[in-house]
Amino acid sequence: GENVEQHPSTLSVQEGDSAVIKCTYSDSASNYFPWYKQELGKGPQLIIDIRSNVGEKKDQRIAVTLNKTAKHFSLHITETQPEDSAVYFCAASIGAGKSTFGDGTTLTVKP
Amino acid sequence: GAVVSQHPSWVICKSGTSVKIECRSLDFQATTMFWYRQFPKQSLMLMATSNEGSKATYEQGVEKDKFLINHASLTLSTLTVTSAHPEDSSFYICSASPPGGYYNSPLHFGNGTRLTVT
Repeated sequence: GENVEQHPSTLSVQEGDSAVIKCTYSDSASNYFPWYKQELGKGPQLIIDIRSNVGEKKDQRIAVTLNKTAKHFSLHITETQPEDSAVYFCAASIGAGKSTFGDGTTLTVKP
Repeated sequence: GAVVSQHPSWVICKSGTSVKIECRSLDFQATTMFWYRQFPKQSLMLMATSNEGSKATYEQGVEKDKFLINHASLTLSTLTVTSAHPEDSSFYICSASPPGGYYNSPLHFGNGTRLTVT
């Protein structure tokens, strides 16, 4: 089955700096790669996703890149703000069905 | 946008009792819903795939008689934790995807249910 590894497990940045979280996956058939933000006591919220036919996608301060050959994808957050502090999960799936999640990254943005 | 509602948000029950958790897609129909379990500071673990009108598909190691799933309509799936024990205490989350295929319809998650078994 699919295996998703996520790094780092914790990340602390100063407000205004950039944050990068990286994930690798094992199943070359995976073609959908979403990123979720989970705040304490809440369910994950989709923040951005990318399909395998695209190499990069950007939405304001958030961007995701995908390297299919190397089987890795990354989340980039620029100009971080304290409200970006949360746990971020990457995932991989074939379609939006049964997803395999990374172990999560706890991002702390210091004001 | 697509909204998934989960109820209750938290529940405390006594050991040996059963607890039902509801997952509703509020503005779309979902033939498939997913149930996850999350331990503190850990990732989401898929428990089962709920299929409308048919039996749920359980992941390896998940007891189907312990975690009963019913997907009786296109907008509602329920997870019943039967004869709950303290080790069943956890955060349970559901998700669903609007129809149309993943290209246009990513997964949306409920806000989770915190179950505490005393």
